[in-house]
Amino acid sequence: AQTVTQSQPEMSVQEAETVTLSCTYDTSESDYYLFWYKQPPSRQMILVIRQEAYKQQNATENRFSVNFQKAAKSFSLKISDSQLGDAAMYFCAYRSPYNNDMRFGAGTRLTVKP
Amino acid sequence: DGGITQSPKYLFRKEGQNVTLSCEQNLNHDAMYWYRQDPGQGLRLIYYSQIVNDFQKGDIAEGYSVSREKKESFPLTVTSAQKNPTAFYLCASSPEGLAGEETQYFGPGTRLLVL
Repeated sequence: AQTVTQSQPEMSVQEAETVTLSCTYDTSESDYYLFWYKQPPSRQMILVIRQEAYKQQNATENRFSVNFQKAAKSFSLKISDSQLGDAAMYFCAYRSPYNNDMRFGAGTRLTVKP
Repeated sequence: DGGITQSPKYLFRKEGQNVTLSCEQNLNHDAMYWYRQDPGQGLRLIYYSQIVNDFQKGDIAEGYSVSREKKESFPLTVTSAQKNPTAFYLCASSPEGLAGEETQYFGPGTRLLVL
């Protein structure tokens, strides 16, 4: 089974600065989908960004971008111009195209300092 | 507004009691999912359903049951056989039942506590 590892339980960033959250995964599949979800204190899971493994171009959504390194099985999230509202738990997730199996990492708690 | 609703927001269970968590979506999504989240951990899949009247066990289905009588609804019952039910429960849905690039969209969750 695929596994997702987030090696940073906690991270902090100064407001307006840039921070990168790490995620690695283990799989033998060549096609798959990767996601970053944000869980603020309300605990609602919110999709931040997604990446299809067959696309070489890194996904970008406004201030959020990813660095997808398929050979290294790495999928990091970069948040630029951090805002106080970015403070949350961030979960990396892997989705197989062959079934409904979505695997989540343990999460990284991001603190944004004013 | 389209979305996923879960009720109640908080639920208290007595020992030996079965309780049911509600999940409703008006997104016209075929697939629906139930996850459990424990402190300091990611989400773990309990059950999922690709179409009406069909559902599959996830990694931690023991002590739980589901039904899918309507496309919009996917209730989860936490039975007395679930010995450690205290957790945060999240319901999700995705546009198609077939595996693919579907993104899962989540409801606001239900916090279950054992008295």
